[in-house]
Amino acid sequence: ETGVTQTPRHLVMGMTNKKSLKCEQHLGHNAMYWYKQSAKKPLELMFVYNFKEQTENNSVPSRFSPECPNSSHLFLHLHTLQPEDSALYLCASSQVGFRGISYEQYFGPGTRLTVT
Amino acid sequence: TQLLEQSPQFLSIQEGENLTVYCNSSSVFSSLQWYRQEPGEGPVLLVTVVTGGEVKKLKRLTFQFGDARKDSSLHITAAQPGDTGLYLCAGADAGGTSYGKLTFGQGTILTVHP
Repeated sequence: ETGVTQTPRHLVMGMTNKKSLKCEQHLGHNAMYWYKQSAKKPLELMFVYNFKEQTENNSVPSRFSPECPNSSHLFLHLHTLQPEDSALYLCASSQVGFRGISYEQYFGPGTRLTVT
Repeated sequence: TQLLEQSPQFLSIQEGENLTVYCNSSSVFSSLQWYRQEPGEGPVLLVTVVTGGEVKKLKRLTFQFGDARKDSSLHITAAQPGDTGLYLCAGADAGGTSYGKLTFGQGTILTVHP
């Protein structure tokens, strides 16, 4: 596997279900990100992990719970979601250098989530 | 809060035409990236520009970073149906405290008709 992979690619879940999204990066990067992409909206940054430590939580509801066990893996645990949470969830990774600056993020293919 | 205004939002043209997409901000960025995204897939990095005034070419695509590092443009020459997709610009914070955060524009949906 190369680049950034995400599983599953598609997920349909009810509002009472619990599920997890998985992301794995094979680029040796030290930072990973979760984004939400809804129709007609810009990409919304949800969480940032740098060296496995969460450095950003953009006021995301607690029904989304991230986990980063190491610098290559990132999970997004989902529970009691709402229909408006239906979206494409994208994972990305980058190499963050001096003073927190990184130039490029590499994205996975995304998980298309539908909440019924 | 940094903002990136991307225009136009929608572009529908015929094969062979030229087009330009703009990305503007009042903030300075340490670098700016352009991505292309196809439906149901993640954005794919096209180019990164770092130096003010920098111009990069990728086949029929020309990318320019403004002198003040606040704006950028993407010009496509002789567009092809294969260029169809969502084009996103993203700026990296020049402040250095953002741990690699990017500010994304709203995107430009380009449709090239045969």
